[in-house]
Amino acid sequence: GQQLNQSPQSMFIQEGEDVSMNCTSSSIFNTWLWYKQDPGEGPVLLIALYKAGELTSNGRLTAQFGITRKDSFLNISASIPSDVGIYFCAGPHSGGSNYKLTFGKGTLLTVNP
Amino acid sequence: DADVTQTPRNRITKTGKRIMLECSQTKGHDRMYWYRQDPGLGLRLIYYSFDVKDINKGEISDGYSVSRQAQAKFSLSLESAIPNQTALYFCATSEGTGGNQPQHFGDGTRLSIL
Repeated sequence: GQQLNQSPQSMFIQEGEDVSMNCTSSSIFNTWLWYKQDPGEGPVLLIALYKAGELTSNGRLTAQFGITRKDSFLNISASIPSDVGIYFCAGPHSGGSNYKLTFGKGTLLTVNP
Repeated sequence: DADVTQTPRNRITKTGKRIMLECSQTKGHDRMYWYRQDPGLGLRLIYYSFDVKDINKGEISDGYSVSRQAQAKFSLSLESAIPNQTALYFCATSEGTGGNQPQHFGDGTRLSIL
């Protein structure tokens, strides 16, 4: 089946630093979604990407849909303590079951004040 | 008020008990989903439903059943709970048209089976 590989698995950074994480697959995806999960809460959609090469920002967050359609990147600039959480990439299955999402295993981000 | 509400938020129970987790939504979405989350494994799909008359198994449906009582309600049951079903469970919804609609999640139910 389709799999999404996220890296790194975890990151420990200082407040104010920029962060970069990525998601790759051996399969082509037509949509990339980035979610954030705060402790004790459900995942919340951050950014949705629908076109290869697309670069989309949401505040300090920027995500890109890779040209090959097999990868996506999420960058966070000038990190703050509330950026702590688990970041998931996700994409719909190809073909007739494209309403089902495949999730990566997540990147755990810790920000030291 | 939350758009996707899950009850209970936490539950501790014993092996062999029947458990029902409830999910209700005010988003008006047709599609609803149940996932479980385990440390290091991400989110895995248990069941999904396109509408009240449509129920489908996900990748890990064994040991679970679901009921779509109305467009806004989708419940997950564990008929006879076992310890390896201890996990965080999430309900999600998405719009019914188009395949690439993002899913919106509830805040989860933390289930512990002793």
